[in-house]
Amino acid sequence: DTEVTQTPKHLVMGMTNKKSLKCEQHMGHRAMYWYKQKAKKPPELMFVYSYEKLSINESVPSRFSPECPNSSLLNLHLHALQPEDSALYLCASSPGQNPTNEKLFFGSGTQLSVL
Amino acid sequence: DAKTTQPNSMESNEEEPVHLPCNHSTISGTDYIHWYRQLPSQGPEYVIHGLTSNVNNRMASLAIAEDRKSSTLILHRATLRDAAVYYCILRDSGGSQGNLIFGKGTKLSVKP
Repeated sequence: DTEVTQTPKHLVMGMTNKKSLKCEQHMGHRAMYWYKQKAKKPPELMFVYSYEKLSINESVPSRFSPECPNSSLLNLHLHALQPEDSALYLCASSPGQNPTNEKLFFGSGTQLSVL
Repeated sequence: DAKTTQPNSMESNEEEPVHLPCNHSTISGTDYIHWYRQLPSQGPEYVIHGLTSNVNNRMASLAIAEDRKSSTLILHRATLRDAAVYYCILRDSGGSQGNLIFGKGTKLSVKP
């Protein structure tokens, strides 16, 4: 199984809602990533987890809250989002032992619309 | 972070080779050169990576200049399914996670 599975595929939420994005992999990878991608732009790194610990937070607003409950699962909790947060949210994973010499496996993303 | 420069777009004919260039003049000695591509409506997909020597796999070849200041991704026979945005990325060995930071990429169009 070389897949990274993201759910839901599409999400529409209001600015007062609380929702969560889910990402799962069963490749035994110990590094997991969240990226945000606006239309026609490259993906932007948001968070990196290494061995279930948050190692990188690229100055992301606190209305985005990541969580890594176990080595296979990564969540992104969303609260009080703004319309400009509408984007494709991508999850990725990699083995985690030698980051610069590893490939990342990406999911297909969750397309988020904030109304 | 070391930066890469790629052409915004390129065109190719189906079944012909494609050479996608990337400049990375500020690369450090331990930075790996990675290539990913993103097909429409999909997440990015790993293509190939290397450090100093040229690399081949089933998808493509990576030719790295001797001074490592540039590299070229080679698709040997382009197909319509190769139409995508191709990203050349340096994995920063100075960062704690060798963060995969995407630049603007090259949008490849393939004509039948």
